[in-house]
Amino acid sequence: DAGVTQSPTHLIKTRGQHVTLRCSPISGHKSVSWYQQVLGQGPQFIFQYYEKEERGRGNFPDRFSARQFPNYSSELNVNALLLGDSALYLCASSGGTAVYNEQFFGPGTRLTVL
Amino acid sequence: AQSVSQHNHHVILSEAASLELGCNYSYGGTVNLFWYVQYPGQHLQLLLKYFSGDPLVKGIKGFEAEFIKSKFSFNLRKPSVQWSDTAEYFCAVNQGGGADGLTFGKGTHLIIQP
Repeated sequence: DAGVTQSPTHLIKTRGQHVTLRCSPISGHKSVSWYQQVLGQGPQFIFQYYEKEERGRGNFPDRFSARQFPNYSSELNVNALLLGDSALYLCASSGGTAVYNEQFFGPGTRLTVL
Repeated sequence: AQSVSQHNHHVILSEAASLELGCNYSYGGTVNLFWYVQYPGQHLQLLLKYFSGDPLVKGIKGFEAEFIKSKFSFNLRKPSVQWSDTAEYFCAVNQGGGADGLTFGKGTHLIIQP
């Protein structure tokens, strides 16, 4: 079975631009979570979506938004990019929102903001 | 807001040495605890988890962790490390259920010398 896939692998943007990152969960998984990992830090929770609805949100500004599609894939959108948005963006999928549902992480998208 | 502290950012050991990586969290209520590992070039993957019950939990590849509530700690141990254990190790905490996401520590980079 394919694991969690993310696209693109790498992305370079300039300040003020908009970016869309994509995630396809493991087949059968209905929950997708997004994390931001800045160099030298652990991942930081951004959003969780389940059945196309936002179920959890971390401490991120409104410039960050996400959505989940009927096939359970998800997009993370970031508007008005700042230099500090440069990070590895991780997607994780799980069978549900309960904590006992193991989260499976994808390889991430490396975003560089110049 | 809860936080997770990992005391050692870089650890270098020789093969067959014993390992203990420290993890402390700040939240005093009910927590769910995890250790994740990221081997070179691979995705984050779950090593072990604690929800309730026996505070000594066993994970994959001979790892175990002990939850000590009075010390707010969840230290990772392995009696005899191998070169293949070289990786980044992250402690993570969840409070209130899966939809709240995971709070990760900064990680410990473990290098095992043959």
